[in-house]
Formats: sequence, C-alpha cells, structure tokens
Amino acid sequence: SQTIHQWPATLVQPVGSPLSLECTVEGTSNPNLYWYRQAAGRGLQLLFYSVGIGQISSEVPQNLSASRPQDRQFILSSKKLLLSDSGFYLCAWSFGWQWNIQYFGAGTRLSVL
Amino acid sequence: GQQLNQSPQSMFIQEGEDVSMNCTSSSIFNTWLWYKQDPGEGPVLLIALYKAGELTSNGRLTAQFGITRKDSFLNISASIPSDVGIYFCAGPSGGSNYKLTFGKGTLLTVNP
Repeated sequence: SQTIHQWPATLVQPVGSPLSLECTVEGTSNPNLYWYRQAAGRGLQLLFYSVGIGQISSEVPQNLSASRPQDRQFILSSKKLLLSDSGFYLCAWSFGWQWNIQYFGAGTRLSVL
Repeated sequence: GQQLNQSPQSMFIQEGEDVSMNCTSSSIFNTWLWYKQDPGEGPVLLIALYKAGELTSNGRLTAQFGITRKDSFLNISASIPSDVGIYFCAGPSGGSNYKLTFGKGTLLTVNP
C-alpha cells in the first residue's frame, strides 16, 4: 500500500532563516505531488505541484520554491523566511487514472518568529 | 477560476444529532470528493462520487452527487464526539488534469 511521509511535524524558525520541508511517497511510482498551505482561516491554498521529476508548476508567486530531485521526493524551500510564511504545510499525492483523488500527509506546522 | 461554496461555515451540535452540509459550484463537476481534517492532521478522504445522482455511504456518512452536477451534500447521522473536525468538499479544477478546487470547509463541533 502507498504511504506518504512528511517531516518535520513542527518547526519554529526565525525570520530570515532558510527552510526545507521534505515529503516522500512510498509504494507507488511517478506520483503527482503537491504542496499546500493552510492558514488559520482553514482554506487550502495550492502552492506547487509536480507531475514528474524536475517538473514544477507554481501556483502562487511568493517566497517559496519547490523541487523534485527524485521520483517520490518533493521538497519545499525558502532562502529567507518571512513572518507571513507561518502556517500548516501539507504534502499530497495522486496517481494514474485516479489523478483527481489526492492523499495527504500529516502536515508540518511552521511558526516563523 | 472555479469556486466551491461550502455551507455552513461552522456547526455546533449535540452528540446524537444528524448533520447536513453542502457544496455548490457555478460550473459542472464530474467528480465530487469529501475530506475530513482532524485538528492538527492532514485531510483524509471520506467519500468520492463520480456520477450525477450517485448516493454513497461510508458508515454513518452519506454523500450525494447532485443531479445538476453543480452541487453535493454530505450527511452524518447520529454524530459522536470524534466527528469533530473540518469537512472539505473538492472537485477537479476546470482546465487542469491534476489540480483540485477545495471548498473553504465546514467546522463541526460536537458537544458530548
């Protein structure tokens, strides 16, 4: 069966510091991968998605970037964090003919102070 | 872009009561999804609907794909405290083969 791992679970970072969040999927090949951010207001905002190695689509121009160095690995990064980057970051995956069903990781709570 | 209007935004109910929430769109969807997010966790898929008029159950949960293909409903019967969380509807974003549009969620609180 497929599983998705996201780490760390929580992170407290100072303003101006770099960020690296990692997401990996096990049990499948060539998944579609997604990064979302959820602010306190509850809505899910799609940040990036990738349909293959090295391919990244950006949805919202901002202080973040994403990379997919391996088939089942998706990384969210920032060179310098802003206070507004605080939030709950979720990684998700989908696959094949069920591309429109996404499965989410447990999330990373990021606090930028 | 497409938007999903989810209502109500929040609900406060007593344990044992039934719950109903809905999601509407100005455009047609060919798939409707319902997710539940427990506090501090990622959303978990509850029910997927693929055909207009389809009625699907998952335990105490029942969801329906509206006949017009522009709405969907989720009902929870005999609520229990662990039903607490945020319920999201979602559907494929128009013009994209890979993205979903999410509603803003219904926050459910169950008083024991």
